Amino acid sequence: DVKVTQSSRYLVKRTGEKVFLECVQDMDHENMFWYRQDPGLGLRLIYFSYDVKMKEKGDIPEGYSVSREKKERFSLILESASTNQTSMYLCASSSQLGRQFFGPGTRLTVL
Amino acid sequence: DQQVKQNSPSLSVQEGRISILNCDYTNSMFDYFLWYKKYPAEGPTFLISISSIKDKNEDGRFTVFLNKSAKHLSLHIVPSQPGDSAVYFCAASHSGTYKYIFGTGTRLKVLA
Repeated sequence: DVKVTQSSRYLVKRTGEKVFLECVQDMDHENMFWYRQDPGLGLRLIYFSYDVKMKEKGDIPEGYSVSREKKERFSLILESASTNQTSMYLCASSSQLGRQFFGPGTRLTVL
Repeated sequence: DQQVKQNSPSLSVQEGRISILNCDYTNSMFDYFLWYKKYPAEGPTFLISISSIKDKNEDGRFTVFLNKSAKHLSLHIVPSQPGDSAVYFCAASHSGTYKYIFGTGTRLKVLA
């Protein structure tokens, strides 16, 4: 059974903290993605990676960075968390031109 | 600029009847479309897809229709069941890119 796991389901952080969200997939997929989901805005792409150490900005990369040192792992980093980064964060993976498989999501609250 | 639009934020349907969820897109380069279903506190799960070379794809109770000239796709669920109550997202992509553009979602409520 294919699986995408995310390090935390719920996270509460303070403004200014550095936050790491981790995602691991076991499907040997080349592509990995980070989205955030907000009411009325749907899923918006933050960053994606099509290979180890490769990354591309999505539609809303400001305030975020990513790291992909191994094929199965894709990390999202909030360098200095702000309240407007309170959101549901979703990680996904896909093979070449294939459909995406999503993790369960991390609900991040920044106080 | 919202390239993929789901203009109905919510929809209520009686159990056993047909649910029709709509999605419009503006980019004529899109050639692959998907529907995802999302329950609260879970990640989206893939439901059904369609390529632009087809105008219909069916999988059990779920059928997706694509009208390329109108840049419109729809998801039909027949018959609707209470377990279908979820948020449905359409997504679009075009060849040569790994990115999908998602709509804002439609919350479907199937009433028993």
